[in-house]
Amino acid sequence: KQEVTQIPAALSVPEGENLVLNCSFTDSAIYNLQWFRQDPGKGLTSLLLIQSSQREQTSGRLNASLDKSSGRSTLYIAASQPGDSATYLCPSKIIFGSGTRLSIRP
Amino acid sequence: NAGVTQTPKFRVLKTGQSMTLLCAQDMNHEYMYWYRQDPGMGLRLIHYSVGEGTTAKGEVPDGYNVSRLKKQNFLLGLESAAPSQTSVYFCASSTGTGPETQYFGPGTRLLVL
Repeated sequence: KQEVTQIPAALSVPEGENLVLNCSFTDSAIYNLQWFRQDPGKGLTSLLLIQSSQREQTSGRLNASLDKSSGRSTLYIAASQPGDSATYLCPSKIIFGSGTRLSIRP
Repeated sequence: NAGVTQTPKFRVLKTGQSMTLLCAQDMNHEYMYWYRQDPGMGLRLIHYSVGEGTTAKGEVPDGYNVSRLKKQNFLLGLESAAPSQTSVYFCASSTGTGPETQYFGPGTRLLVL
């Protein structure tokens, strides 16, 4: 059974810190990986898409890397802000993990 | 472009009642999906469709039926609602080819009493 594991499950840090969110998946045939954020009571917003031919993708303060051989992806958030508080998800195709619940304290 | 829309946004049902959730997308996507999300959990795939007229079962299909009569619409039906189906339902769509970016709707909150 395909699985996605996200570590940590929850994280609370003061504003300004640089963060690393980890995602591991068992599907070695993954074509690409998409990182989402979900605000409480809201839908999913796409943050970054890393295609299988790429190793990383950047958007503003966000940088995501993908290592297909080890089944891992990392989301790096620089200079975190309270507005970054949300749950972050990294599905492997249609398989979702429980996400990382991030809280940035002002 | 409205993207992916879902109707209704919120609904309360009594056990045994039936209802249909509507998902619509205006991006000409081939693939469409229905997920459910329970508190503290990730999304789980209920059913999906790889094109007009096609449907397939996902991880948790029991108690649900779907139809894709038009490419832009994907309907999720509950024939006899149960309290275990209380959840938030998300619809998504994707191109089906190339870089697979999924676009999600805002969700439908369903409470079954």
